Amino acid sequence: EAQVTQNPRYLITVTGKKLTVTCSQNMNHEYMSWYRQDPGLGLRQIYYSMNVEVTDKGDVPEGYKVSRKEKRNFPLILESPSPNQTSLYFCASSSSSGRDTDTQYFGPGTRLTVL
Amino acid sequence: RKEVEQDPGPFNVPEGATVAFNCTYSNSASQSFFWYRQDCRKEPKLLMSVYSSGNEDGRFTAQLNRASQYISLLIRDSKLSDSATYLCVVNIVDDMRFGAGTRLTVKP
Repeated sequence: EAQVTQNPRYLITVTGKKLTVTCSQNMNHEYMSWYRQDPGLGLRQIYYSMNVEVTDKGDVPEGYKVSRKEKRNFPLILESPSPNQTSLYFCASSSSSGRDTDTQYFGPGTRLTVL
Repeated sequence: RKEVEQDPGPFNVPEGATVAFNCTYSNSASQSFFWYRQDCRKEPKLLMSVYSSGNEDGRFTAQLNRASQYISLLIRDSKLSDSATYLCVVNIVDDMRFGAGTRLTVKP
């Protein structure tokens, strides 16, 4: 089954404790991205990757890091989480950047709370 | 001004009603347009792409007006299962921009 998986789905942590949210897709997609979703603000892009070893900042990259060592994986790293990073996070992938009719497939989301 | 703006709603309509959502975007270089549907606490899923000529998929009709920079979604004969948040999405050269969403509740 074609899918995007994220882990963990729920996480409660404390300020300053490094964490990684994993994202994996099995569709051989080149493009992957991370979003955060906050009430009233919609989805905002954190980072995206056009292909292996190619990553770029989105709208809200501060406090986040990513890596793309393999095509299928795109982990999101919070080196020193802060309470303002409490949010719902989605990973997404598509065969291109979402141009034309390419669908973005989203993972199930990770609900992160930073105390 | 937000790049993609939607009326947040909520829209509360009875079953069988016709409901329309509008979305405006600010960047005239926007290339492609979509409507996504998001159920409560779930991930967004593509509902339909939006083409310049307008397009229809069953009870759903999407329109694009490039001159006025707005996109619309029309839902006819609303079903209870249409209750969700509808996200307007605009692609600007490899960059997807999402509206905050319009919430729809269809009641019996």
